[in-house]
Amino acid sequence: KQEVTQIPAALSVPEGENLVLNCSFTDSAIYNLQWFRQDPGKGLTSLLLIQSSQREQTSGRLNASLDKSSGRSTLYIAASQPGDSATYLCAVKVGNEKLTFGTGTRLTIIP
Amino acid sequence: DTAVSQTPKYLVTQMGNDKSIKCEQNLGHDTMYWYKQDSKKFLKIMFSYNNKELIINETVPNRFSPKSPDKAHLNLHINSLELGDSAVYFCASSHVPGTDTYEQYFGPGTRLTVT
Repeated sequence: KQEVTQIPAALSVPEGENLVLNCSFTDSAIYNLQWFRQDPGKGLTSLLLIQSSQREQTSGRLNASLDKSSGRSTLYIAASQPGDSATYLCAVKVGNEKLTFGTGTRLTIIP
Repeated sequence: DTAVSQTPKYLVTQMGNDKSIKCEQNLGHDTMYWYKQDSKKFLKIMFSYNNKELIINETVPNRFSPKSPDKAHLNLHINSLELGDSAVYFCASSHVPGTDTYEQYFGPGTRLTVT
């Protein structure tokens, strides 16, 4: 059974700093990995999708990496801004199209 | 231009009632999902439909019955609502036919409160 863990559960950093969010999964037989952000009371916004054959994806200040063999992914946020404050979720897709979600990291950027 | 939409956004009802949540996507996807986010904010898959056929049913009580009238719609009907059904329910969709991309797009959620 696939299990996805995100550490830390909460993180506070001063504005302007670079930061890394971690995601680990127990079964490396994934189809892809997706990072989302969720703002309070809102739905999920897809940030980056990494296919199992890829090592990383970049979008603006965000960079996500994937190491399937070790069951890890990281989301790197450069030059953090207060608007980056949200809960960040990683999810892995297995063959039957199901997404298994991590527990999330609640990020607070301090102005 | 909303990609995945859900109605209603909020739903407050009493125990024992029957209610429905509707979902529509205009992305041309052939797969749709229902997820439940509990009070601890953990998201878990409930159902998945591909081309109107049920492909995932994750140990969900029989009181929950999804219905997909066409590829663009997936509705969720809940019978005999219980207090424990209170949660946020998210609809999602993915996969443009003929592509390898299964990026999932989520609706804004329906906050269900059972009193």
